[in-house]
Amino acid sequence: EAGVAQSPRYKIIEKRQSVAFWCNPISGHATLYWYQQILGQGPKLLIQFQNNGVVDDSQLPKDRFSAERLKGVDSTLKIQPAKLEDSAVYLCASTLSTGRGNEQYFGPGTRLTVT
Amino acid sequence: AQKVTQAQTEISVVEKEDVTLDCVYETRDTTYYLFWYKQPPSGELVFLIRRNSFDEQNEISGRYSWNFQKSTSSFNFTITASQVVDSAVYFCALSVYNNDMRFGAGTRLTVKP
Repeated sequence: EAGVAQSPRYKIIEKRQSVAFWCNPISGHATLYWYQQILGQGPKLLIQFQNNGVVDDSQLPKDRFSAERLKGVDSTLKIQPAKLEDSAVYLCASTLSTGRGNEQYFGPGTRLTVT
Repeated sequence: AQKVTQAQTEISVVEKEDVTLDCVYETRDTTYYLFWYKQPPSGELVFLIRRNSFDEQNEISGRYSWNFQKSTSSFNFTITASQVVDSAVYFCALSVYNNDMRFGAGTRLTVKP
């Protein structure tokens, strides 16, 4: 079974530029998560989708971050414009459903450096 | 509010030593799940164990064991006879509601040969 796929693996941009990350979850997984992991910290949830609907985006900085999962499968996360403090690893995860306690499967992440 | 505290930022041991990673959690929910994940240098988070709030039985899996104590809100992880391959960052996490997982800051374990 293929795992969660993410691209690109690394991205370097200048502040005020825009960037987009892509995630393809495990086949059949209805729930998809985007996390931000700043160096030295644990992952922090940005947004959670159930199929193509948003379940929780309370921690997403909506003035600059956006995410979509139009067909309920793969997803993109965008930052526009980027700030220095956005430098982090962006992790995508998926589970079969939103049920409490389901194990989340993580992708390898995209390491973003904003200069 | 949900919170996970991993007080140990870094631990260094010599191979074959036993090591315990501490995890303390806070939640007002009576139903919750606790997890441990391993993050090797490659960056991908690897699931190790899940425990629900109604099951306080300790668990052993090979060299790994977990001690869940609701009375102290702790879910500690012990590696017996550590190996160099155990070197990684280990995260404890708490899940409530819609599986919104709250992670601790992680403990970096270095096992020296």
